[in-house]
Amino acid sequence: SAVISQKPSRDICQRGTSLTIQCQVDSQVTMMFWYRQQPGQSLTLIATANQGSEATYESGFVIDKFPISRPNLTFSTLTVSNMSPEDSSIYLCSSSAGYNEQFFGPGTRLTVL
Amino acid sequence: QQQVKQSPQSLIVQKGGISIINCAYENTAFDYFPWYQQFPGKGPALLIAIRPDVSEKKEGRFTISFNKSAKQFSLHIMDSQPGDSATYFCAASITGGGNKLTFGTGTQLKVEL
Repeated sequence: SAVISQKPSRDICQRGTSLTIQCQVDSQVTMMFWYRQQPGQSLTLIATANQGSEATYESGFVIDKFPISRPNLTFSTLTVSNMSPEDSSIYLCSSSAGYNEQFFGPGTRLTVL
Repeated sequence: QQQVKQSPQSLIVQKGGISIINCAYENTAFDYFPWYQQFPGKGPALLIAIRPDVSEKKEGRFTISFNKSAKQFSLHIMDSQPGDSATYFCAASITGGGNKLTFGTGTQLKVEL
């Protein structure tokens, strides 16, 4: 299984600022995803990070708010833009090597004041 | 709408007992059904998964039972241990549909001594 790391592991940010979260996979993977998990809640898919092209966003999530980059097969970033307290959440990166199995990183715990 | 319904929301089991978590889905196009285990402060970890062509899959103390006609699947944890105390999520995806996971709402399991 792929080993995934995320940076930062946690952060406390001020309203109106932006935070970029990095996701690094230890092997080349076909697919990378970004999820949001509210405290004590389930996971909601934000977008699929496509290598070399624009990310594919799920309903309710837009590129202006959550710009995503994926410059190669092992790395992706998610930016949470113009943050508000409602963006306080855990952001999780996951990867899939082309089969159904999907592995998750440890998450980034974001608090917006 | 693609949904996966999970029950119970929380579960308390005595050490050595059997923990049973149930999920039901609506979309018959789903063809991959994983279970994830999540400890506090950690990302979800893939525990076991099943495809609709089999009715049961066992890995150690963990068993998935699958009922295609009822569109239901369940996780059984045999000989439950305090170390199994975690939140469990069922999920479903469509092969070739971008491998996007739709998660259940989660079950918080506590195994008491």
